[in-house]
Amino acid sequence: GEEVAQTPKHLVRGEGQKAKLYCAPIKGHSYVFWYQQVLKNEFKFLISFQNENVFDETGMPKERFSAKCLPNSPCSLEIQATKLEDSAVYFCASTPSFGAGETQYFGPGTRLLVL
Amino acid sequence: AQSVTQPDIHITVSEGASLELRCNYSYGATPYLFWYVQSPGQGLQLLLKYFSGDTLVQGIKGFEAEFKRSQSSFNLRKPSVHWSDAAEYFCAVGAPAAGNKLTFGGGTRVLVKP
Repeated sequence: GEEVAQTPKHLVRGEGQKAKLYCAPIKGHSYVFWYQQVLKNEFKFLISFQNENVFDETGMPKERFSAKCLPNSPCSLEIQATKLEDSAVYFCASTPSFGAGETQYFGPGTRLLVL
Repeated sequence: AQSVTQPDIHITVSEGASLELRCNYSYGATPYLFWYVQSPGQGLQLLLKYFSGDTLVQGIKGFEAEFKRSQSSFNLRKPSVHWSDAAEYFCAVGAPAAGNKLTFGGGTRVLVKP
């Protein structure tokens, strides 16, 4: 498609439950980025993919977060055993290639609330 | 490591007045700088970007920004604000050497008075 799609729009989980978020990049875009926006508007980079390969995972919390981008499927970000501090808006962005100054096109985000 | 500072958390401006949002960055090499706008409950929309060439960059919705290497700044301006410009504005820096991941400033919320 012409836009980055993210589902669901909202997700509510009890502490300790699993949360799974999905992202469909723009068709033809090879790179996908995940960011977490917490309440103070702080954006944190989580992970990026080049097609189905992890490109940069330096921002990923090691223990409870995992992500995948499989061929012909939306990318996913999964949080096992959610904690209160995972409450945030999770954005996905995609770019067509890895060039200097490449624009990242953002999806509308998934708002996760952990109770 | 790259970092971005937006000194103003909130700015209130009257409709029709000019607007300037400040952005200071820290990055060891040539920075690639972006301004995004986020309306309530929405994703981020790119307003403009700088990665080479003319230091005065024109963007969408009548916005422009000027890259000043000597001041490590990339301030965003609009000559005449419309009520629809009320939103949160984010400055970001990214570079291929850093995996193209974006580092964002804390954002500036713009309120427009009638």
